[in-house]
Amino acid sequence: GAVVSQHPSRVICKSGTSVKIECRSLDFQATTMFWYRQFPKQSLMLMATSNEGSKATYEQGVEKDKFLINHASLTLSTLTVTSAHPEDSSFYICSARVDSAPGARSGYTFGSGTRLTVV
Amino acid sequence: GQNIDQPTEMTATEGAIVQINCTYQTSGFNGLFWYQQHAGEAPTFLSYNVLDGLEEKGRFSSFLSRSKGYSYLLLKELQMKDSASYLCAVAPTDKLIFGTGTRLQVFP
Repeated sequence: GAVVSQHPSRVICKSGTSVKIECRSLDFQATTMFWYRQFPKQSLMLMATSNEGSKATYEQGVEKDKFLINHASLTLSTLTVTSAHPEDSSFYICSARVDSAPGARSGYTFGSGTRLTVV
Repeated sequence: GQNIDQPTEMTATEGAIVQINCTYQTSGFNGLFWYQQHAGEAPTFLSYNVLDGLEEKGRFSSFLSRSKGYSYLLLKELQMKDSASYLCAVAPTDKLIFGTGTRLQVFP
C-alpha cells in the first residue's frame, strides 16, 4: 500500500520550454506532498511542500515562478518547470506523508523520480 | 536552520561491518530515517528512530541519541549489492530534510 506514481520517468526538453511532472497517490489520499531535486552525486534537496487546495510552501532559494506546484486534488500534485534551462537538468522526485503511526514501515513514500534533461 | 551531516564516501570489504554516522541540528524533531538509494532510483526505507536507542532489523541496525543529535546506521555481513548511497533524514516538522548522503562502495 501507499504507492505514489510519478510520470514521466525521463524527459528531454529544449531550453525555454516548460515541463510538467505528475505525482499521483494510488491507494491513499495525500493531503501533503513534497518535491525534491537531486543533482548527480548529491543528496535530495527539498524544494517545496505541496498542500491540497492551498498554495505551496517553497524552501528558501527556490524560485516560485519557475517551479509551479499545483495540488488540486487529494491524489494529484504537479510540478511544472517553466522556461527550463540546462542548469535545471536534475532528478526530481516527489514524496507523500503516509498517515500511519510512528514506527510503521515508513512514514513517507516516494515516487520513482523524473530525470529531466534540458538541451 | 537545518544541518544534517554525513561522511561523503566510505569503502568496505564484502562480509565486513560498516557504520555510517549522521549528526544533525534541526529546529524540531519528529524522527530520524535512514534510506538506501541506488543511482537514478527512489530512496528505499531502511529504518526509523524516534526514541533513543538501537533498532535492529536483520543486517541493518540504526542507533539514535537525541541529546547528542547523533545517529548511525550499522550494516553487517556486507554484500556487493549494499554498494549504494545511504541517506540520513530528519523530520523537524512534517517534512523530511535529507543529509548530505554517504556513498558506500563494497569491494570483494
